[in-house]
Amino acid sequence: SQELEQSPQSLIVQEGKNLTINCTSSKTLYGLYWYKQKYGEGLIFLMMLQKGGEEKSHEKITAKLDEKKQQSSLHITASQPSHAGIYLCGADVYSGGGADGLTFGKGTHLIIQP
Amino acid sequence: DAGVTQSPTHLIKTRGQQVTLRCSPKSGHDTVSWYQQALGQGPQFIFQYYEEEERQRGNFPDRFSGHQFPNYSSELNVNALLLGDSALYLCASSLGQGWNQPQHFGDGTRLSIL
Repeated sequence: SQELEQSPQSLIVQEGKNLTINCTSSKTLYGLYWYKQKYGEGLIFLMMLQKGGEEKSHEKITAKLDEKKQQSSLHITASQPSHAGIYLCGADVYSGGGADGLTFGKGTHLIIQP
Repeated sequence: DAGVTQSPTHLIKTRGQQVTLRCSPKSGHDTVSWYQQALGQGPQFIFQYYEEEERQRGNFPDRFSGHQFPNYSSELNVNALLLGDSALYLCASSLGQGWNQPQHFGDGTRLSIL
């Protein structure tokens, strides 16, 4: 089963609109990463969250970690064409027997319409 | 300041062959992790190398092996290639083992198996 669920799977928004992407874990989160990927390319690091309730912002992107709900959200304000791409959440997820490495969701495909 | 570099960028092999992929970490980083990303999926953790030893391993068969050199660069070897091994192989580097430091990714090697 997928340990990290991202929603929505895809998103089309008009340029200038706000949007939110969610990442939910079925297990305890010990750290969460947000990355952006352009099709067929490497992952670009956006933010890392480690503490419950932590919130970080970079330019027009804000990410929050709600450790109690095992969720994180990524919010983009006043979207631009440069925001288009695949957004991936990755987390340090423990299965009880030890670290499983960094686990990723399947990604959210974001399209910005002019 | 060079980021993570991977070679080659593209590779075509046939079933049963063996392949070696290479990764040079970001300057100042000493830990290398490898991931496999199938089309439409998030990256899957293969293993992590630190101090020239495999420290953590994901759910991949022994056909997948690796090596880390004294200069921190790394190789991923895959033997007896299967059609299902076709994927984007990503290398990530960080400072120190574990997952409490940002993982910086390269652009990947696209491996196609015929």
